[in-house]
Amino acid sequence: QVQLVESGGGVVQPGRSLRLSCAASGFIFNNFPMHWVRQAPGKGLEWVAVISYDGRVTLYTDSVKGRFTISRDDSQNTVFLQMNSLKAEDTAVYYCARDPLRGYGDFFDKWGQGTLVTVSS
Amino acid sequence: DIVMTQSPDSLAVSLGERTTINCKSSQSVLHNSNNKNYLAWYQQKPGQPPKLLIYWASTRESGVPDRFSGSGSGTDFTLAISSLQAEDVAVYYCQQYYSGPLTFGGGTKVEIK
Repeated sequence: QVQLVESGGGVVQPGRSLRLSCAASGFIFNNFPMHWVRQAPGKGLEWVAVISYDGRVTLYTDSVKGRFTISRDDSQNTVFLQMNSLKAEDTAVYYCARDPLRGYGDFFDKWGQGTLVTVSS
Repeated sequence: DIVMTQSPDSLAVSLGERTTINCKSSQSVLHNSNNKNYLAWYQQKPGQPPKLLIYWASTRESGVPDRFSGSGSGTDFTLAISSLQAEDVAVYYCQQYYSGPLTFGGGTKVEIK
């Protein structure tokens, strides 16, 4: 069955960096765009970034542009989120999610369990 | 950006009763080229990731009970639960995928009365 397992979260000081990973299994990874979606504690869902199925196109929400980079390694069936210059407002559970269509931003049919990132001094 | 507004913020419903959740988009999410509404619904139970319920505004995801249904077009959408079960206690979100950035509604919390 489809599985998405995030890792790499933790407590980090403002201005520092963190790299999240999402290991996928149970499907042909390079057929699907992949997203990161975050949820601040007690808040709603916020889309963060997407990478196309072939890795050629990446898109970001405005608040992370220039600080976050999404990438994928199809040989490892893994999608990454490199987060630099972290701010307190980046504190959230970060979910990776699969996009079932071939576009650059659709809906999410499979989600991981999430990894918590806390930005605090 | 397309702003998604859900109502109500929360509601309490008796077991077996019907309930509806509303979602309004700040602009139409109906694509004229294919006559599809680019609108999805998710269910999130406490401590769990969201789960896809409905896409294209009214297409039920495989395995989702048929008591869940989606309707609406253009800017106004509804998620209905025909007969509330205890396991339906959750927060429900709508999401548009008509244009970037992808945006979600603020969520509607459903509880048992």
